[in-house]
Amino acid sequence: EDKVVQSPLSLVVHEGDTVTLNCSYEVTNFRSLLWYKQEKKAPTFLFMLTSSGIEKKSGRLSSILDKKELFSILNITATQTGDSAIYLCAAFAQGGSEKLVFGKGTKLTVNP
Amino acid sequence: NAGVMQNPRHLVRRRGQEARLRCSPMKGHSHVYWYRQLPEEGLKFMVYLQKENIIDESGMPKERFSAEFPKEGPSILRIQQVVRGDSAAYFCASSPTQGSTNTEAFFGQGTRLTVV
Repeated sequence: EDKVVQSPLSLVVHEGDTVTLNCSYEVTNFRSLLWYKQEKKAPTFLFMLTSSGIEKKSGRLSSILDKKELFSILNITATQTGDSAIYLCAAFAQGGSEKLVFGKGTKLTVNP
Repeated sequence: NAGVMQNPRHLVRRRGQEARLRCSPMKGHSHVYWYRQLPEEGLKFMVYLQKENIIDESGMPKERFSAEFPKEGPSILRIQQVVRGDSAAYFCASSPTQGSTNTEAFFGQGTRLTVV
């Protein structure tokens, strides 16, 4: 059965801290890995990772994929209270059907 | 580009009633996915549809749940005879084509179903 496991499930930090969120996956016909940020609404897209070892950056956020070890990390530097959200990792599987398999998410709380 | 539109945003149904959730994909997108998010859980895949075809419904309960994506109009997720356990946020996502290396799914704002 396809699965995506995120850790930690919950994280509380202070503004300015750096955090690393982890995502491991076991998915048949893996194609790519996606990170989403979910506040009190729909998940919003952050990154799509297809190739190993290539870091993607967007401001203070960055992410990298290791297809050999089947995991990805999401880094957030100099955290702000606005970073507080649930961060979802999803593995995109392709074959007869396409679907995203989501982890349970990491709930990040950034305190002032 | 209006993005993925879902309605209603909130839906309250009594046990035994029917719930109809609608999703209009982004312009130019022909693939629609439905996900369910239960409290304290991640998004769970339910069904994947293209126009007039159900491609994968492996995540959808066999009874009471059905989905369609007609040639014209939005995709509909229908839940018959709702029970309290159906209370959840239901998200729809769309993507342009199958087989694209860089496919990303765009999500709607979700419909929060509450069964009382």
